[in-house]
Amino acid sequence: NAGVTQTPKFQVLKTGQSMTLQCAQDMNHEYMSWYRQDPGMGLRLIHYSVGAGITDQGEVPNGYNVSRSTTEDFPLRLLSAAPSQTSVYFCASSSLSRVGHGYTFGSGTRLTVV
Amino acid sequence: AQTVTQSQPEMSVQEAETVTLSCTYDTSENNYYLFWYKQPPSRQMILVIRQEAYKQQNATENRFSVNFQKAAKSFSLKISDSQLGDTAMYFCAFRAYNNNDMRFGAGTRLTVKP
Repeated sequence: NAGVTQTPKFQVLKTGQSMTLQCAQDMNHEYMSWYRQDPGMGLRLIHYSVGAGITDQGEVPNGYNVSRSTTEDFPLRLLSAAPSQTSVYFCASSSLSRVGHGYTFGSGTRLTVV
Repeated sequence: AQTVTQSQPEMSVQEAETVTLSCTYDTSENNYYLFWYKQPPSRQMILVIRQEAYKQQNATENRFSVNFQKAAKSFSLKISDSQLGDTAMYFCAFRAYNNNDMRFGAGTRLTVKP
């Protein structure tokens, strides 16, 4: 049982470049989300999805796109990277019928934009 | 919108001593869950303990326990017999019954000293 798998673990981008952070889960969770973690600010929600074909914005969606074509995968796309997007990114998932169990997190991606 | 506040950016404790981390939250919801997550230097987010708002009894998991005061909207974490492996960032989080999103506090960095 792999849980939530995020790739890559580390990435350095130049300003203006685009890239996709991958997230996959094998627990058949309906809910998936992306957070960014910045010092002193905790984790802030970027985008989330409650099922294939359904996505919505969180607190800090600007500069990011998502899609959910399958239950398992929820990629996060940076359209034109900016230094302000330097952060640690977490993907998380949960079952909609077990809200009280919290999230299962991926191991995170440390992204640096230079 | 719900907000979660952790007013202690950093704390330290001697090994084998007890430490309490504070968390307050603001919500108009009556039914919700509260969580404490641990993030060691490995960056992995680990669920430590959770509390359902309708339960008056405070949750306990081995050396970890909470003091949940619903009226005061307070949810503190007590770590007894602190161990070096408890050194980590600790995040308090809130999730309403009718909302899949989880809101996090800014975190408290705990250092256990030998």
